[in-house]
Amino acid sequence: TQLLEQSPQFLSIQEGENLTVYCNSSSVFSSLQWYRQEPGEGPVLLVTVVTGGEVKKLKRLTFQFGDARKDSSLHITAAQPGDTGLYLCAGALSGGYQKVTFGIGTKLQVIP
Amino acid sequence: EPEVTQTPSHQVTQMGQEVILRCVPISNHLYFYWYRQILGQKVEFLVSFYNNEISEKSEIFDDQFSVERPDGSNFTLKIRSTKLEDSAMYFCASFGQGAAFFGQGTRLTVV
Repeated sequence: TQLLEQSPQFLSIQEGENLTVYCNSSSVFSSLQWYRQEPGEGPVLLVTVVTGGEVKKLKRLTFQFGDARKDSSLHITAAQPGDTGLYLCAGALSGGYQKVTFGIGTKLQVIP
Repeated sequence: EPEVTQTPSHQVTQMGQEVILRCVPISNHLYFYWYRQILGQKVEFLVSFYNNEISEKSEIFDDQFSVERPDGSNFTLKIRSTKLEDSAMYFCASFGQGAAFFGQGTRLTVV
């Protein structure tokens, strides 16, 4: 059983479309991160959300942390081919020393 | 901008050989991690390290694995006797400002 469930796992859309990726769990997280990973490279941090209900924007990307701090979403507006990549959500469970656990990722392809 | 650096970027080794993967975490971070990612699969937690000792380790991190912070800056992962199934990308990370920051990874190929 995955601690963090990401959906969809694969997404292929046309340039200019909008999309939303979801990250769900039954556990409460003290913080949740979204990363983007290119093939053969390490995950690159996009954003960290900490407060329940928090919304952060990064250009055309909007990240939301659920009120109960158990889920998050990533919305991309007007997707571009440069958005193609693997998007990973990762969470640090409440309490303890902040071990980060990853979801399986969403592989996004934006077709020109 | 501070970053996590890993060396080497690629290591090829024969089955049964020992390998040491090296990492320099971000200097003011206190928690350090090793993760691995087998090709096409998810990023998997191996071990966390805090205050010069292991905080937590996964089932993957068996007796063949060890970690060390020998000199206060480097953070190493040693695999004593590599197996074919150890072939993967190995990522070092350090935790600060509410998130884990990752190095570029070492691609380990066991032949």
